[in-house]
Amino acid sequence: AQTVTQSQPEMSVQEAETVTLSCTYDTSESDYYLFWYKQPPSRQMILVIRQEAYKQQNATENRFSVNFQKAAKSFSLKISDSQLGDAAMYFCAYKRAGAGGTSYGKLTFGQGTILTVHP
Amino acid sequence: KAGVTQTPRYLIKTRGQQVTLSCSPISGHRSVSWYQQTPGQGLQFLFEYFSETQRNKGNFPGRFSGRQFSNSRSEMNVSTLELGDSALYLCASSPRTTNTGELFFGEGSRLTVL
Repeated sequence: AQTVTQSQPEMSVQEAETVTLSCTYDTSESDYYLFWYKQPPSRQMILVIRQEAYKQQNATENRFSVNFQKAAKSFSLKISDSQLGDAAMYFCAYKRAGAGGTSYGKLTFGQGTILTVHP
Repeated sequence: KAGVTQTPRYLIKTRGQQVTLSCSPISGHRSVSWYQQTPGQGLQFLFEYFSETQRNKGNFPGRFSGRQFSNSRSEMNVSTLELGDSALYLCASSPRTTNTGELFFGEGSRLTVL
């Protein structure tokens, strides 16, 4: 079974600075997706960034970027120029790739990291 | 385009009762998945429905069940409620036509069992 581990229950950062959230995972699959989701206090989970395992290039979305190390099974999220609106719970998640199958809608989540942004 | 809609947003039940939660996916999305979120266990996959059929199921007892209607709306039911069922129940939808992986989540239904 796949597992996802986020070893940082809480992190804090000063506004405008950079913070990195850690995530490691375990899988025997070679093709999969990794995600970072953000859950603000209003609770709706939104996708921050996605990485396909077959792509060597690290994904980037504006101020958000990942460091994907496939061999080490590591997937960290870097938030640059942190803003007050970045404060939220961040979840790392894993999903098997491939059409159909039995895990289409199934994400395996880490325990989450609460990010606090100080003004 | 409207997002994933879950009702009710909050509800309080007592032990032994049953509850039904509803989820309307994004228009055009045919896959609906359900997750349970608790402080202790985090986010856990309950089940996924596609074309009115359960496609995948997590490790939950049979008291947890669901269904999907022809318009892709989904309901989940929990019977004989226990205190430990208190949680935020999240619904997520996806188009399932291409496996980009992304799920779109609703705001959740907060269930409190007394």
